[in-house]
Amino acid sequence: DQQVKQNSPSLSVQEGRISILNCDYTNSMFDYFLWYKKYPAEGPTFLISISSIKDKNEDGRFTVFLNKSAKHLSLHIVPSQPGDSAVYFCAASARDTGNQFYFGTGTSLTVIP
Amino acid sequence: DAGVIQSPRHEVTEMGQEVTLRCKPISGHNSLFWYRQTMMRGLELLIYFNNNVPIDDSGMPEDRFSAKMPNASFSTLKIQPSEPRDSAVYFCASSSGTVAGNQPQHFGDGTRLSIL
Repeated sequence: DQQVKQNSPSLSVQEGRISILNCDYTNSMFDYFLWYKKYPAEGPTFLISISSIKDKNEDGRFTVFLNKSAKHLSLHIVPSQPGDSAVYFCAASARDTGNQFYFGTGTSLTVIP
Repeated sequence: DAGVIQSPRHEVTEMGQEVTLRCKPISGHNSLFWYRQTMMRGLELLIYFNNNVPIDDSGMPEDRFSAKMPNASFSTLKIQPSEPRDSAVYFCASSSGTVAGNQPQHFGDGTRLSIL
């Protein structure tokens, strides 16, 4: 049973527009959330994180939003660039699970030039 | 700085053979994680170590899987005997600190394992 879910396997967006990737979780004890980006034949690369004490964290073109009541987080990429085409994984952890991260199954983003 | 280094990058072997995957974590990191990626289940945690000690191996699928971390700079994941359903990409990751809350995990580029 997946505690972190990414219900959209794929997303296509025009270059310059906003990309919104979504993630839902079931464990209310999760207190740390991350997004990873993965190119083919490479390992996932850490992109951005957010603590449960915040509802927004921004880093350049990337912003993560957290809605604790809905157990939902999203990653916004503005403006989208062709180099953003990759698989994006969300992950979550809770202090009572130690170091274990729970990952979603990923969303493949294609930015069309 | 060197990232997490995994070897081999690709492994093709026949069913029943022993397979050993290797990982060198980032220097100074004291937590190490082994994951398996499949299309159906995404990234699954197999086992993780803290200060070279296995903390949680509940994700190890069967007794055919074993992992060791003899020192802070090296870990192995072994499958014996291997089966076709073990075919997947295996990732190693490392992080610093004992609490995941503020420390992202850094991943190697993975080992693509194919069991024929």
